[in-house]
Amino acid sequence: AQSVDQPDAHVTLSEGASLELRCSYSYSAAPYLFWYVQYPGQSLQFLLKYITGDTVVKGTKGFEAEFRKSNSSFNLKKSPAHWSDSAKYFCALEGRAKLTFGKGTKLSVKS
Amino acid sequence: EAAVTQSPRNKVAVTGGKVTLSCNQTNNHNNMYWYRQDTGHGLRLIHYSYGAGSTEKGDIPDGYKASRPSQENFSLILELATPSQTSVYFCASGDAITGENTGQLYFGEGSKLTVL
Repeated sequence: AQSVDQPDAHVTLSEGASLELRCSYSYSAAPYLFWYVQYPGQSLQFLLKYITGDTVVKGTKGFEAEFRKSNSSFNLKKSPAHWSDSAKYFCALEGRAKLTFGKGTKLSVKS
Repeated sequence: EAAVTQSPRNKVAVTGGKVTLSCNQTNNHNNMYWYRQDTGHGLRLIHYSYGAGSTEKGDIPDGYKASRPSQENFSLILELATPSQTSVYFCASGDAITGENTGQLYFGEGSKLTVL
């Protein structure tokens, strides 16, 4: 079985602050991990992925994520945050061509 | 850029009626997926497919059927629609992670289904 947990349903911060969205996973094998973003009224867009190798991966829009095997986490980071980063962010895990998503974190960046 | 097109974009159905949601992708991806998105649940996988003629059950397949008649097309069928199936449905396509493929999914714009 595979699962993804995003413990924070909502995160609010001020423009210019650093953001970190939390994601933990459960999977019996080496994970393939992803972050996607959904802007209001839109579909999902790919941000970044971790397959293997470097534990910090960089993606689009200035985001990066850190993979930590020790605590099964894959947190998304960006500094500084911009008001245009306001959106819903989904962490996902791929196992055997099946992509499982977390419930998402709605990020609000106040200008 | 990968293109995934869903139809219809909006649908109102009656309880007990049959609903078919269609998805077309033009990038020759092997894998296709149907998800539903509901507040408080995120995206949940209904059915997926590894290629033409194959369908697999996802995490919440009850009440849904899927059909993959060709590489490009993947349909989601609700034989007897119920109000609990009111949701936004997303189709996605992609390929398995290899040296060339990133493994990312490309999503359609979503189909909003309301079952009265």
